[in-house]
Amino acid sequence: AQSVAQPEDQVNVAEGNPLTVKCTYSVSGNPYLFWYVQYPNRGLQFLLKYITGDNLVKGSYGFEAEFNKSQTSFHLKKPSALVSDSALYFCAVRDLILTGGGNKLTFGTGTQLKVEL
Amino acid sequence: DGGITQSPKYLFRKEGQNVTLSCEQNLNHDAMYWYRQDPGQGLRLIYYSQIVNDFQKGDIAEGYSVSREKKESFPLTVTSAQKNPTAFYLCASSMREGTLGNQPQHFGDGTRLSIL
Repeated sequence: AQSVAQPEDQVNVAEGNPLTVKCTYSVSGNPYLFWYVQYPNRGLQFLLKYITGDNLVKGSYGFEAEFNKSQTSFHLKKPSALVSDSALYFCAVRDLILTGGGNKLTFGTGTQLKVEL
Repeated sequence: DGGITQSPKYLFRKEGQNVTLSCEQNLNHDAMYWYRQDPGQGLRLIYYSQIVNDFQKGDIAEGYSVSREKKESFPLTVTSAQKNPTAFYLCASSMREGTLGNQPQHFGDGTRLSIL
């Protein structure tokens, strides 16, 4: 089965500094990877995905992620953090393509990002 | 605006009681999913449905049941057999796009279930 790991439960960063939230994956075959963000008592919001192509993927709200096949990583990054970026971030890997066209995702355990003034 | 509506936002269950969580979407998505979120454990898949009148068990289906009588609706019942139901429940849907399976899932804002 496919899996992802988020090695940090929490990341703290000062506003204006670059941020990185780490994710590593284990898959058989080509990886299809996603990042989501969750604000308190809300559902998950899609940020970006890697399917194929450029290793640097750009997403919503100024976030980007770097796919590194040799290190089996898909780290989320942002050049300049904002206090409003404080939230819970989830990495996910496509585990299975459903015959009906949907997908089954396996999620990491999440990383709490705290951006301070 | 299109989206996914989950209700109620908060729900309390008594011992031995079944409760049903509502999930409605107006995105015209074929696939729908139910997840359970516990602190520090990420999201775990309970059930999913790819088309009306069809659904499959996910990783933690025991103690739960679902139905898919309409494309827009995918209610989840937490039965009395689920001994630890306290959690945040999230419903999601995704677009059908051939067999690529690379469309992101769209999530509702969840229902928080607690035991009285």
